[in-house]
Amino acid sequence: GENVEQHPSTLSVQEGDSAVIKCTYSDSASNYFPWYKQELGKRPQLIIDIRSNVGEKKDQRIAVTLNKTAKHFSLHITETQPEDSAVYFCAANQAAGNKLTFGGGTRVLVKP
Amino acid sequence: NAGVTQTPKFRILKIGQSMTLQCAQDMNHNYMYWYRQDPGMGLKLIYYSVGAGITDKGEVPNGYNVSRSTTEDFPLRLELAAPSQTSVYFCASRSLQETQYFGPGTRLLVL
Repeated sequence: GENVEQHPSTLSVQEGDSAVIKCTYSDSASNYFPWYKQELGKRPQLIIDIRSNVGEKKDQRIAVTLNKTAKHFSLHITETQPEDSAVYFCAANQAAGNKLTFGGGTRVLVKP
Repeated sequence: NAGVTQTPKFRILKIGQSMTLQCAQDMNHNYMYWYRQDPGMGLKLIYYSVGAGITDKGEVPNGYNVSRSTTEDFPLRLELAAPSQTSVYFCASRSLQETQYFGPGTRLLVL
């Protein structure tokens, strides 16, 4: 089955700096890659996703890039703000499409 | 649209007790999932369903059971609660190739 690895497990950045989280996946047939943000005590919420027919997608300060050849995708947060502090999870769908495999999560701390 | 709803929000169980965690969605999604999240950890899939009457095990199914008699509801049953089942339980739903939405979670403490 699909295996998703996420790095780093923790990330501390200064407010205004950029943050980058990387994920690799094992199933070359995966074609959908969402990113979730989970604030303390809350549910995971989708912040951005990308499908395998595009290489990059942006939404304001957040962007995701996908390299299908290398089987990795990354989340980029620019001009970080304290409210970006949270745990971020990447995921990839399995070839059969019926479930997502999640990475282990990255705890991001934005220091004012 | 209420989205994905879960009840209860919080529950304390004694060892050996049983309970059912309720999950419902009003988005007509075929796919539904149960995850557990231990403190400071990631999401582990317990069970999932691809439609009414169809369920399958995830990576940590032991100690749990599910049923899917309708498209809307996907209850999770704990038969003999153990301290290792202390966790936050999230239900989620999606349509194929679309966004997966999570419920607000049920915090379970087994003492």
